[in-house]
Amino acid sequence: GENVEQHPSTLSVQEGDSAVIKCTYSDSASNYFPWYKQELGKGPQLIIDIRSNVGEKKDQRIAVTLNKTAKHFSLHITETQPEDSAVYFCAASRGLNQGGKLIFGQGTELSVKP
Amino acid sequence: DTGVSQDPRHKITKRGQNVTFRCDPISEHNRLYWYRQTLGQGPEFLTYFQNEAQLEKSRLLSDRFSAERPKGSFSTLEIQRTEQGDSAMYLCASSPFLDISTEAFFGQGTRLTVV
Repeated sequence: GENVEQHPSTLSVQEGDSAVIKCTYSDSASNYFPWYKQELGKGPQLIIDIRSNVGEKKDQRIAVTLNKTAKHFSLHITETQPEDSAVYFCAASRGLNQGGKLIFGQGTELSVKP
Repeated sequence: DTGVSQDPRHKITKRGQNVTFRCDPISEHNRLYWYRQTLGQGPEFLTYFQNEAQLEKSRLLSDRFSAERPKGSFSTLEIQRTEQGDSAMYLCASSPFLDISTEAFFGQGTRLTVV
């Protein structure tokens, strides 16, 4: 069935360092890959997404790369700040025309130490 | 528009009781999704609506669960005869049905505790 694996489950970095979170997916029909940030007691918030026709996307300190052949995608956060501390989830979807439901990874708890 | 709104934010109920949650999506968003999130896990898809039509239900949605979106606006999720295993965060999300956009906006969730 559809599955998304996410690693690592926890990640601790020093302020200013980079953080990388990796995901692999099983459904070759997936074509939309969002990343969500979830703070304690809140709902997930979209931070960046990428579609299957693009290999890389960047938004300020955040970037995502996609390798469709290998079925994996990664989140890169540079110059980390304490406010980046949260749980990050990757997800995969076949897109709105096939329902739009998201299959989520298990999450990565990122801790940025001042 | 203030985003996706869910009510209540927290609900404590005794085992065997029925509970109902409400979700108000972003205005004019055709698609509405329900997810369940247990502690330390990612959200799991339960069901979704295109306007008032319920188009897909997960195997996670047992016959004790029912969802409605009667006028294609707000939605309700009801759990009958609650069990301790139902304790989780229930998240609602909405999307505009546009070919170029599949972004889902999530609400703050309803945390259910069954005692």
